[in-house]
Amino acid sequence: EAQVTQNPRYLITVTGKKLTVTCSQNMNHEYMSWYRQDPGLGLRQIYYSMNVEVTDKGDVPEGYKVSRKEKRNFPLILESPSPNQTSLYFCASSSDVTGNYGYTFGSGTRLTVV
Amino acid sequence: RKEVEQDPGPFNVPEGATVAFNCTYSNSASQSFFWYRQDCRKEPKLLMSVYSSGNEDGRFTAQLNRASQYISLLIRDSKLSDSATYLCVVRGNRKLIWGLGTSLAVNP
Repeated sequence: EAQVTQNPRYLITVTGKKLTVTCSQNMNHEYMSWYRQDPGLGLRQIYYSMNVEVTDKGDVPEGYKVSRKEKRNFPLILESPSPNQTSLYFCASSSDVTGNYGYTFGSGTRLTVV
Repeated sequence: RKEVEQDPGPFNVPEGATVAFNCTYSNSASQSFFWYRQDCRKEPKLLMSVYSSGNEDGRFTAQLNRASQYISLLIRDSKLSDSATYLCVVRGNRKLIWGLGTSLAVNP
């Protein structure tokens, strides 16, 4: 089954404790992206990657890091999480950046930073 | 002005009703348009792309008005399972811009 797999689904952590949210897709998509979704603010792009070893900042990259060492994986790293990073996070992939064929999203990671 | 604006709703309609959502966008150079559906606390899923000539997929019809810079989604014969948030998405210069969504509740 074609899918984007995110882990974990839920995470509660403390301020400053480094964490990684994993994202993997099995569709051989070149384009991958991370979003966060907050009430009243909608989906905002954190980082995106157009191919292996090619990453770029989205609209809200501060406090996040990503890497794209393999085509299928695109982990999101929070080096020192803070409470304002409490959010619902989605990883997405697409066969191309235009999104004309649709983005496939992971099931989401609900992160709480206390 | 937001780049993509939607009426947040909620729209409460009875089963079988016809409901329409509108979305306006600010960038006249926008190139592609989409409607996504998002169920509560779940991931967005592509509902349909919106083409210049308008397009239909079963009970769903999408239309684009470039002159007025708005797109619309019409749902006919609403089902309980149509209850969700509908996100308007516009592709600008190399990125997608997401509306905040319109909430629809279809009641028995």
